[in-house]
Amino acid sequence: AQTVTQSQPEMSVQEAETVTLSCTYDTSESNYYLFWYKQPPSRQMILVIRQEAYKQQNATENRFSVNFQKAAKSFSLKISDSQLGDTAMYFCAFMSWGAQKLVFGQGTRLTINP
Amino acid sequence: GAGVSQSPSNKVTEKGKDVELRCDPISGHTALYWYRQSLGQGLEFLIYFQGNSAPDKSGLPSDRFSAERTGGSVSTLTIQRTQQEDSAVYLCASTSTSSYNEQFFGPGTRLTVL
Repeated sequence: AQTVTQSQPEMSVQEAETVTLSCTYDTSESNYYLFWYKQPPSRQMILVIRQEAYKQQNATENRFSVNFQKAAKSFSLKISDSQLGDTAMYFCAFMSWGAQKLVFGQGTRLTINP
Repeated sequence: GAGVSQSPSNKVTEKGKDVELRCDPISGHTALYWYRQSLGQGLEFLIYFQGNSAPDKSGLPSDRFSAERTGGSVSTLTIQRTQQEDSAVYLCASTSTSSYNEQFFGPGTRLTVL
């Protein structure tokens, strides 16, 4: 069974700083998807960024980028120029090719301070 | 367009009672998921519906939990004889074949069993 580990339960940075959230996973599969979801206090889970395992290029979405290291089974999220609205729980998630269901990490609570 | 909606937003019930949680997916989305988010277990998959196929019930924690999806749209998650350990936020998500595996989440139902 796949597992996802987020080793940082909480992080706190100042506004405009860059922050990196860590995620490692365990799988024997070669094709899969990885995601970062954001959950603000409103509870609504929102997709931040996704990565297909067969793509070597790291995904980027505006201020959000990932460092995908397939051999190391590592998938970290970098948030540049952090904003107060980035304050939320961040979940790393894994999906097998064709399996559809998400396997989540335990989450990292990120606080952006003014 | 409208997102995934869930009702009720909050539900308080007494141990031993049955509860029904409702999910309205995004119109046209063929796949629907239920997840549970609790302090002790994190985010865990419960059940997955895809079109007219038999649902994947592999995540349901006990036979007290059941779910149905009528007409390929609205879904109801039923918990019979609720226990205190059932207290959690129940999240529903939906996706379509054109959404590149992005699951769109509802705001969740917070269930409290007294």
